[in-house]
Amino acid sequence: QVTLRESGPALVKPTQTLTLTCTFSGFSLTTSGMCVSWIRQPPGKALEWLALIDWDGDERYSPSLKTRLTISRDTSKNQVVLTMTNMDPVDTATYYCARTRAMAYYFDYWGQGTLVAVSS
Amino acid sequence: ETVLTQSPATLSLSPGERATLSCRASQNIRSHLAWYQQKPGQAPRLLIYEASNRATGIPARFSGSGSGTDFTLTISSLEPEDFAVYYCQQRKNWPPLFTFGPGTKVDIK
Repeated sequence: QVTLRESGPALVKPTQTLTLTCTFSGFSLTTSGMCVSWIRQPPGKALEWLALIDWDGDERYSPSLKTRLTISRDTSKNQVVLTMTNMDPVDTATYYCARTRAMAYYFDYWGQGTLVAVSS
Repeated sequence: ETVLTQSPATLSLSPGERATLSCRASQNIRSHLAWYQQKPGQAPRLLIYEASNRATGIPARFSGSGSGTDFTLTISSLEPEDFAVYYCQQRKNWPPLFTFGPGTKVDIK
């Protein structure tokens, strides 16, 4: 049974760095083809893909946010971590992690999401 | 970057009616399109992948079609639990970059 769960602060101040952790089970990120992505959704708005890390440790980023994002993994803990620098109120959103695979063009399992507000 | 456009923005229908949702891509994406359903306070749920394949556990009233730039999600007969927002999504082959459409809200008429 595949599950993913996001964790992190509910509130950050402008200019701070956000760190979110995705803890997953039911698959291994060292299995060939496995990938985990971060996706966010501002309140009442559409989904936006942020970043992906794959079974080889390769990283991919949204071109519009690339300079602010870092994705990493801890395979021993089955965790994927996203950091986003220089947070702004427009970054207020629910942040999801989701699984995909190298040969798949979709996300088959999602976490429940974590809401992050950016406010002073 | 491939842009996805969804129409209509809102679809107001009654239970039992047929829903037809459209997703248009700004360039040819072959069949690499997925559809998701999202209810308030919940994560998106995968409905359809590769344009026409139902995901595990998805009822047969959901069907997808299309290829290239024009895609359709059809709900043959709306059940009360189908009133939600629906997103389409595509992925650039390599490097993998994903984009979502703006969504279509299906609400009760």
